[in-house]
Amino acid sequence: DVKVTQSSRYLVKRTGEKVFLECVQDMDHENMFWYRQDPGLGLRLIYFSYDVKMKEKGDIPEGYSVSREKKERFSLILESASTNQTSMYLCASSFSRRNNSPLHFGNGTRLTVT
Amino acid sequence: GNSVTQMEGPVTLSEEAFLTINCTYTATGYPSLFWYVQYPGEGLQLLLKATKADDKGSNKGFEATYRKETTSFHLEKGSVQVSDSAVYFCALSDNQGGKLIFGQGTELSVKP
Repeated sequence: DVKVTQSSRYLVKRTGEKVFLECVQDMDHENMFWYRQDPGLGLRLIYFSYDVKMKEKGDIPEGYSVSREKKERFSLILESASTNQTSMYLCASSFSRRNNSPLHFGNGTRLTVT
Repeated sequence: GNSVTQMEGPVTLSEEAFLTINCTYTATGYPSLFWYVQYPGEGLQLLLKATKADDKGSNKGFEATYRKETTSFHLEKGSVQVSDSAVYFCALSDNQGGKLIFGQGTELSVKP
């Protein structure tokens, strides 16, 4: 089974802090994704990556950046956390870019910014 | 652009009731369609998928049929259990490298 591990289940940070969310997958997947989940809005794509050192903006990249230095690891960075970034963050990976390649998700990190 | 619309929740059913969660989509080309389930405190898990028109995806008693003529992918189960209580997400793959576009999710609560 594919395992996608997010380093923290819960985080509480202060406004203005730099925040790192870490994600590791163990199945040598090419693609990795960061989504945020908010009630009534479903999942919205922040950033994704098809290969090491590659990154692409998703639908809501403002206020975020990412890093992919190794194939198995994809980090989401909040450069200066704000209260409107309080949310559930979900990392996912997939084997290929083919349309029927399903995403495998981690258990999520619930971030609260005070 | 591409989008997915689900029926609003929460949906509350008694055990053994019939379940339908509606999902319609807007997309160019021929997307693949998915249903994911999120149990409390967990990430999303793939429930079923369909990759072309008239395909039926099925798993754990759930079914959904890819209807291109009505741009729909409704989720059904004949007899729900308390353990099916979760949030269900419909999603499509947008023909641009395997990214998924999700609906807003539908919360299902099944009472004994």
